[in-house]
Amino acid sequence: NAGVTQTPKFRVLKTGQSMTLLCAQDMNHEYMYWYRQDPGMGLRLIHYSVGEGTTAKGEVPDGYNVSRLKKQNFLLGLESAAPSQTSVYFCASRILGTGGYEQYFGPGTRLTVT
Amino acid sequence: QQQVKQSPQSLIVQKGGISIINCAYENTAFDYFPWYQQFPGKGPALLIAIRPDVSEKKEGRFTISFNKSAKQFSLHIMDSQPGDSATYFCAASKGRSGGGADGLTFGKGTHLIIQP
Repeated sequence: NAGVTQTPKFRVLKTGQSMTLLCAQDMNHEYMYWYRQDPGMGLRLIHYSVGEGTTAKGEVPDGYNVSRLKKQNFLLGLESAAPSQTSVYFCASRILGTGGYEQYFGPGTRLTVT
Repeated sequence: QQQVKQSPQSLIVQKGGISIINCAYENTAFDYFPWYQQFPGKGPALLIAIRPDVSEKKEGRFTISFNKSAKQFSLHIMDSQPGDSATYFCAASKGRSGGGADGLTFGKGTHLIIQP
């Protein structure tokens, strides 16, 4: 199993450009999450999804949109990138229900907005 | 409002020593408390986790101590090794009370260096 994979690994955008980050998991997990990591800030939840076709806002959702059209994929979109969105983005997934809460993280996407 | 406070920001420990990282939380609805380990250029990976119905959990050299009344929990790394050098994050989630889907609320991280 590849676990959680993220595409691309690195990206540089100019202010105002748009892009989509792709997260894929092959563990048949119901729940998926997008976090951003900034120096000295830890990881902060952007959006999450409890299943195909459903999404919800996290702690820092402004400027981002998400879609979960397939169970294994969770897309994070930036419609008009801003320098404040320069960050490392991590996707995570976990199984359904209360049996286990471990979130499995992908390797991250480093995004720079100039 | 920072819901999970972590200290120290950085820590240097001699090989073979004990590394201790502390966290405090505010939201009493939290009922799952994991510690994640992150190496440079990698995603965080679960190290050990605890539920509030126990006061301590040990896995190998890693121990979580949990104090529900004080709303604090800590990570102890015994016999610290250079390979333990990494950034450690404490986190919390509502788990069952939050419907089971809530994301994690992270502390800001501790950069741990084990000197040989």
